[in-house]
Amino acid sequence: SQKIEQNSEALNIQEGKTATLTCNYTNYSPAYLQWYRQDPGRGPVFLLLIRENEKEKRKERLKVTFDTTLKQSLFHITASQPADSATYLCALDRGSTLGRLYFGRGTQLTVWP
Amino acid sequence: EAEVAQSPRYKITEKSQAVAFWCDPISGHATLYWYRQILGQGPELLVQFQDESVVDDSQLPKDRFSAERLKGVDSTLKIQPAELGDSAMYLCASSVRRDEQYFGPGTRLTVT
Repeated sequence: SQKIEQNSEALNIQEGKTATLTCNYTNYSPAYLQWYRQDPGRGPVFLLLIRENEKEKRKERLKVTFDTTLKQSLFHITASQPADSATYLCALDRGSTLGRLYFGRGTQLTVWP
Repeated sequence: EAEVAQSPRYKITEKSQAVAFWCDPISGHATLYWYRQILGQGPELLVQFQDESVVDDSQLPKDRFSAERLKGVDSTLKIQPAELGDSAMYLCASSVRRDEQYFGPGTRLTVT
């Protein structure tokens, strides 16, 4: 079965620094990898998608990398702000026709002033 | 901006009772998903619809859970009878493409 590990349950950084979150996977190699943000008591919100043939994707202060050799994705938030505090989930799509997503348990990010 | 609607937001029920959740996806989204999220875990897919058809229910405990999407629009997820281990957040999501899912606010279920 697919196993997805996100580097730690919690990450605390100072405002202005770059937050780096890790997503490692085993077994099947995903065709797509997605990152979502989830605030307490709310549903996840889509942030970025990266395909297996892409090395890097950027959106404003967000950057995602995808290394299929290491079976790892890194999610970076530059110039972090307290408003970035949330849980970040990575999700894998194995590329089947159904497009099913397998989610990691998430990393809780806290950005302090 | 269009959103996925879910109701109720919170539900407390006693074990062995029946409970139902409702989801209205974003208009035009053919694919609808029901997920269960246990506190501290990521969402886990229970059932996926394409229009009115179930295309994946491999993780749905079919002895007690059922789901329907009769007209290919809104959907209902039912649990009967509820068990203590069913306490979780039940999330509905919809998509028009495979590259982005839109989630509703969820229903927090507590079984006592």
